[in-house]
Amino acid sequence: AQSVAQPEDQVNVAEGNPLTVKCTYSVSGNPYLFWYVQYPNRGLQFLLKYITGDNLVKGSYGFEAEFNKSQTSFHLKKPSALVSDSALYFCAVRDWIGNTPLVFGKGTRLSVIA
Amino acid sequence: DAGVTQSPTHLIKTRGQQVTLRCSPKSGHDTVSWYQQALGQGPQFIFQYYEEEERQRGNFPDRFSGHQFPNYSSELNVNALLLGDSALYLCASSLLLRTANYGYTFGSGTRLTVV
Repeated sequence: AQSVAQPEDQVNVAEGNPLTVKCTYSVSGNPYLFWYVQYPNRGLQFLLKYITGDNLVKGSYGFEAEFNKSQTSFHLKKPSALVSDSALYFCAVRDWIGNTPLVFGKGTRLSVIA
Repeated sequence: DAGVTQSPTHLIKTRGQQVTLRCSPKSGHDTVSWYQQALGQGPQFIFQYYEEEERQRGNFPDRFSGHQFPNYSSELNVNALLLGDSALYLCASSLLLRTANYGYTFGSGTRLTVV
């Protein structure tokens, strides 16, 4: 079975500092990995995805994520945080085998302090 | 805009009642998945519809049912509502054979409150 772990409920970072939101995953085969962001009372907005290829994936709004197969991790990063980045972030995974559903982590709330 | 449209945005129902939520997928998408997001939790997969049939189902009781229409739009029905069904219900559309490349597009959700 697929699963995602986001070990931090909350991450606080000062504006201008780098940020990291952690994610580890478990799948039977090769993973398709996604990051989504959710603002209050809104749906999920796609940030970036990893399918294959380069381990460093660049996405929207200056975010990037590094795929590490040996550590089964897919941490979200941004070199310089903005107050407007404050939101709820979800990591999600699906197995590349068959039409398996997307499985989400519980989410990490990012708070960027001015 | 050709994004995912969900209706209604908010809904209040009484325990024991039945509810129907609606979703119009992104233009060009043929698959609809439904998720339940309880307060403080990540989205939980309910089921997926493709070619008007339920293709995948998560760990939800039979009170949760759905339908997909020929135009790819979908409905989620919940019978005998419980207080615990209060959540944000998200619809995600995708193109079945290109999901990996093109991902999922989510709607803004329907906030269901059961009182």
